[in-house]
Amino acid sequence: DADVTQTPRNRITKTGKRIMLECSQTKGHDRMYWYRQDPGLGLRLIYYSFDVKDINKGEISDGYSVSRQAQAKFSLSLESAIPNQTALYFCATSDADRVSNEQFFGPGTRLTVL
Amino acid sequence: LAKTTQPISMDSYEGQEVNITCSHNNIATNDYITWYQQFPSQGPRFIIQGYKTKVTNEVASLFIPADRKSSTLSLPRVSLSDTAVYYCLVAPRNRDDKIIFGKGTRLHILP
Repeated sequence: DADVTQTPRNRITKTGKRIMLECSQTKGHDRMYWYRQDPGLGLRLIYYSFDVKDINKGEISDGYSVSRQAQAKFSLSLESAIPNQTALYFCATSDADRVSNEQFFGPGTRLTVL
Repeated sequence: LAKTTQPISMDSYEGQEVNITCSHNNIATNDYITWYQQFPSQGPRFIIQGYKTKVTNEVASLFIPADRKSSTLSLPRVSLSDTAVYYCLVAPRNRDDKIIFGKGTRLHILP
């Protein structure tokens, strides 16, 4: 079984709809992240959480919100989706006790906003 | 944050050694250099990390000169399955919030 899972894997929605993307992990890591990737570009950090009570904005948080329901779950919401939020979204985790910056990524969610 | 510059794309042939160089002129004293690999439709995967000199693991080698203003990821005897995007990152250890994934280098291995 995958250590970091994302649901749904693909989603098509319409402008103005509220969308939630979910991420679950079985690695026991404290830190979780949401990134988006646009074609031909690198990953950009949306939000990150270092533990259950910690939420931090990343580089591009406008239009997004997150919820860290438990150590293992980190959800990303688009309150009112717009077409330029069409992208590939990745969740990642890392171990606070590990000295390297190694992050473990989920398989991604491909979101299309019409 | 240290900015990194790496080639947008590279082509090579199966069985060759591939070297991808990354420039990071403004690297800070406490920054480490990390490389990730991303296959199409997958999330990035950590390959290797180093601070100075040479680091080698079962996947790649990382060469870092004394001034640390650049680094070279070396992939020995590549195969078609090494076709991927390779990202060079510079950040303090254990400061994942400072990691920036640039556009990376798109490596295409030809038969």
